[in-house]
Amino acid sequence: AQSVAQPEDQVNVAEGNPLTVKCTYSVSGNPYLFWYVQYPNRGLQFLLKYITGDNLVKGSYGFEAEFNKSQTSFHLKKPSALVSDSALYFCAVRPDYGGATNKLIFGTGTLLAVQP
Amino acid sequence: DAGVIQSPRHEVTEMGQEVTLRCKPISGHDYLFWYRQTMMRGLELLIYFNNNVPIDDSGMPEDRFSAKMPNASFSTLKIQPSEPRDSAVYFCASSIKTTGQPQHFGDGTRLSIL
Repeated sequence: AQSVAQPEDQVNVAEGNPLTVKCTYSVSGNPYLFWYVQYPNRGLQFLLKYITGDNLVKGSYGFEAEFNKSQTSFHLKKPSALVSDSALYFCAVRPDYGGATNKLIFGTGTLLAVQP
Repeated sequence: DAGVIQSPRHEVTEMGQEVTLRCKPISGHDYLFWYRQTMMRGLELLIYFNNNVPIDDSGMPEDRFSAKMPNASFSTLKIQPSEPRDSAVYFCASSIKTTGQPQHFGDGTRLSIL
């Protein structure tokens, strides 16, 4: 079965320190990978995506993610965390359906808590 | 540009009542998705449309749930009759047709069934 795993329910980091939120996937073909962020009482907001090309992709708010095909991972990173980065983060994958659809498979989410 | 607009933002009703959630996708978007989010089950895809046609409704939990998209700018998700276990946040999202484009989410409807 095709799936996305976010192994950590919560990540705690001090402000100013680097952060990593982990994501691994199990899908067939060449997937498209996404990260979204959700703030309280808001919908999910798109952060960044990997389609093809450079394995390091940059997105909004200083976030970046590294695609690793051999490890089937797509970890989200930021060099210096801010308290305002505290939110729920979702990894998502669009499997290679072989057709035109933008249906995504979402992970269970990781709560990022940045302490001042 | 306006994003995905959902209404109402909050709904509280008694079990057995009919509930209708509304969504206006971003203009020009071809796909529309309905999701449900709960603490227990996370984010679940209920149904999605392409050019107003339902493509996959395998995530709709029961016959009590139905969704329609009468035109490109409007969709509804209806629950009849509602039950307490339907309490959740319901999200609508839309995307353009090009493969690999992100989905854009509304801010959701928080539904409480008493």
